[in-house]
Amino acid sequence: NFMLTQPHSVSESPGKTITISCTRSSGSIASNYVQWYQQRPGSSPTTVIYEDHQRPSGVPDRFSGSIDSSSNSASLTISGLKTEDEADYYCQSYDSSSPWVFGGGTKLTVL
Amino acid sequence: EVQLVQSGAEVKKPGESLKISCKGSGYSFARYWIGWVRQMPGKGLEWMGIINPIDSDTRYSPSFQGQVTISTDKSINTAYLQWSSLKASDTAIYYCARLFRMGIIDYWGQGILVTVSS
Repeated sequence: NFMLTQPHSVSESPGKTITISCTRSSGSIASNYVQWYQQRPGSSPTTVIYEDHQRPSGVPDRFSGSIDSSSNSASLTISGLKTEDEADYYCQSYDSSSPWVFGGGTKLTVL
Repeated sequence: EVQLVQSGAEVKKPGESLKISCKGSGYSFARYWIGWVRQMPGKGLEWMGIINPIDSDTRYSPSFQGQVTISTDKSINTAYLQWSSLKASDTAIYYCARLFRMGIIDYWGQGILVTVSS
């Protein structure tokens, strides 16, 4: 089994760009798709990125995802930050024995 | 519109049993696996298990194997999560979620707060 490690918290100002990382502990980050979920305070999670970089309909193109095999990590980038982006963000992947492996979550503060 | 509508909040005592539900609508329920996720107060997301409504093939996280039972009734497009004997440590929000393909969630339920307290 593997783990996904995220920074506990990040912060940035409105209008700026932020990147949240998600590092896979073992096995290749490229071997299974990575998803990103947004959870605003008091709400259920929603999917903002799936299959590494795909955006569900309705998710603004300010949200983008990528993977980097050299660092064995995935990244969620949010550009043109808005106060409404303030939320917890979770990365998630899987393997043959675990349908879902979640990262610990990153609290994004938009100052 | 795809929706997963979960049953309401529950307050129970330790040792009691509980069954919570998740009703799918707006899609062919039997075609997609459903899973359950726990979120303890102030903590992250933990997967509990997933079930295929067509044949009830169920896979549990090792952390939850033997602690809960996941089931479905595809005749009423509903998935269930149940406990036979609750503990205070089961206090959490429980989300159901649809897997658009294995390992990938596309829709989430609104969550059910389960409080277990004497």
